[in-house]
Amino acid sequence: AQSVTQLGSHVSVSEGALVLLRCNYSSSVPPYLFWYVQYPNQGLQLLLKYTTGATLVKGINGFEAEFKKSETSFHLTKPSAHMSDAAEYFCAVRVARDDKIIFGKGTRLHILP
Amino acid sequence: DTAVSQTPKYLVTQMGNDKSIKCEQNLGHDTMYWYKQDSKKFLKIMFSYNNKELIINETVPNRFSPKSPDKAHLNLHINSLELGDSAVYFCASSLPTENTEAFFGQGTRLTVV
Repeated sequence: AQSVTQLGSHVSVSEGALVLLRCNYSSSVPPYLFWYVQYPNQGLQLLLKYTTGATLVKGINGFEAEFKKSETSFHLTKPSAHMSDAAEYFCAVRVARDDKIIFGKGTRLHILP
Repeated sequence: DTAVSQTPKYLVTQMGNDKSIKCEQNLGHDTMYWYKQDSKKFLKIMFSYNNKELIINETVPNRFSPKSPDKAHLNLHINSLELGDSAVYFCASSLPTENTEAFFGQGTRLTVV
């Protein structure tokens, strides 16, 4: 069965520092991978997605992620953190011939001034 | 225009009551979902509908009954509410293809007292 694991339920970075949020997936078939962001008291918003093709995917708000099949990873990065990036981030997987999107447990990103 | 809208946004009710949450999407999607987010932010799929037909029922208690009058609407009715039902419930929709993301509503925060 497919699943995603997010390493670190809380990550703190200083404003201006590199953001790295880790996600590993488990799937027996080629996965489709997503990163979502959730701001307090709001719904989930798509940051970026990997379907096929280029393994480095660029998303909104300066975020990007790289699909590495050999490492079964899809880590999210941003070169320079802003205070506005403080939120909950979810990695998710959707598998072919499946109607559900499965989410990781989330990583709360804290930005230190 | 809100793509996926849920009502109400907040719902406080007593144990044993019956309540409903409504969801509507104007994206023309065929697939709709209900997700439950617990106090630890974990997102778990409850139901998936494709063009009004139930596709996924993730071992949710029978007290939860989804209803899809048409493919733009997916309502959730909950009977005999329990304390453990307190959570944020998200409605989402997507195209029925595996390489597409889900679009989420703003959530309904249900508190059972």
